[in-house]
Amino acid sequence: AQTVTQSQPEMSVQEAETVTLSCTYDTSESNYYLFWYKQPPSRQMILVIRQEAYKQQNATENRFSVNFQKAAKSFSLKISDSQLGDTAMYFCAFMKHGYGYALNFGKGTSLLVTP
Amino acid sequence: EAQVTQNPRYLITVTGKKLTVTCSQNMNHEYMSWYRQDPGLGLRQIYYSMNVEVTDKGDVPEGYKVSRKEKRNFPLILESPSPNQTSLYFCASSPSFGPGWGELFFGSGTQLSVL
Repeated sequence: AQTVTQSQPEMSVQEAETVTLSCTYDTSESNYYLFWYKQPPSRQMILVIRQEAYKQQNATENRFSVNFQKAAKSFSLKISDSQLGDTAMYFCAFMKHGYGYALNFGKGTSLLVTP
Repeated sequence: EAQVTQNPRYLITVTGKKLTVTCSQNMNHEYMSWYRQDPGLGLRQIYYSMNVEVTDKGDVPEGYKVSRKEKRNFPLILESPSPNQTSLYFCASSPSFGPGWGELFFGSGTQLSVL
């Protein structure tokens, strides 16, 4: 099974600042997908961003962008201009291409945005 | 509104009393799955289904059953719940093709406590 590691259990950032959440993964697959999901206090799981491994260009979604380093098996999430509403648990997830669609999740990073 | 509906949101039960958590999606997705979320462990997959009458085990299937008799519904059954099944449970669905391929749409979660 693929392993996803989020090495920062907790992080804090001030409003309007930039923060980067780390994620590394271990796989022998060449074709796969990576995701960042956000879980605010409401518990709802919300997709933040996704990256296809075959695409070299890093994905971006408004204030959220990733730094995908395939050789290093690294997939970090950068949040620019942090807002109070970004306070949440963030999960990195890996999905192997093909039958199953099973996501392997990391243990999560709890992000607190302070005024 | 496109959504995945789980019921109930909260459930307290006693050891050994059979229970069912329902999950329904209105997006005509082929793929559905169940995850459990425990502090410090992230989300782990229990069971998944690629289509009607097609189900398979995830990483932590012991003590759970599922069925997929209709495309929209994917109930999770605990025939003899035990305290170690106290957890937050999520149902999720995904299309198996098209632009949303692989993106999981999550229900709102069911917080289960087994006494």
